Amino acid sequence: GENVEQHPSTLSVQEGDSAVIKCTYSDSASNYFPWYKQELGKRPQLIIDIRSNVGEKKDQRIAVTLNKTAKHFSLHITETQPEDSAVYFCAASPGANNLFFGTGTRLTVIP
Amino acid sequence: KAGVTQTPRYLIKTRGQQVTLSCSPISGHRSVSWYQQTPGQGLQFLFEYFSETQRNKGNFPGRFSGRQFSNSRSEMNVSTLELGDSALYLCASSSQPTTDTQYFGPGTRLTVL
Repeated sequence: GENVEQHPSTLSVQEGDSAVIKCTYSDSASNYFPWYKQELGKRPQLIIDIRSNVGEKKDQRIAVTLNKTAKHFSLHITETQPEDSAVYFCAASPGANNLFFGTGTRLTVIP
Repeated sequence: KAGVTQTPRYLIKTRGQQVTLSCSPISGHRSVSWYQQTPGQGLQFLFEYFSETQRNKGNFPGRFSGRQFSNSRSEMNVSTLELGDSALYLCASSSQPTTDTQYFGPGTRLTVL
């Protein structure tokens, strides 16, 4: 089955700096890659996603890049703000609606 | 539209008991997926239903089962509870049958004593 690895597990940045989280996947059949943000005690919220026919996608301060050949994808957050502090999960889906998640990155933005 | 809802939000059971959790998807969504979230194992896929049919199942023992009704509401059942079943159980709904955006419910926090 699909195996998703995520790094780093924790990340601290100064407010205004950029944050980058990286994930790799193992199943070449995976074609959908969402990123979720989960605040303490709350449900995971989708922040951005990308499909395998696209190499990059941007939404305001958030961008995701996908390298299908290397089987890795990354989340980039620019101009970080304290409200960006949360746990971020990457995921990969080889089809149907089943997601395989990475182990999460706890992002702390220091004011 | 109302979001995904799950009931109950919190549940305390003892070992050996069974439990049923409920998930109501976003109106019009026909796919419901279930996930288990624990500090040690993270978010793990349990199973997915579309139009009352289980299409995918994760690597969980047969004590974990589910079903989906004609109105797309879904239930999952865990029999013979073990301490290790303590977790946050999340369901997510999608409108399309494949690789669609999944919207998560608030989860059911299950504690097994």
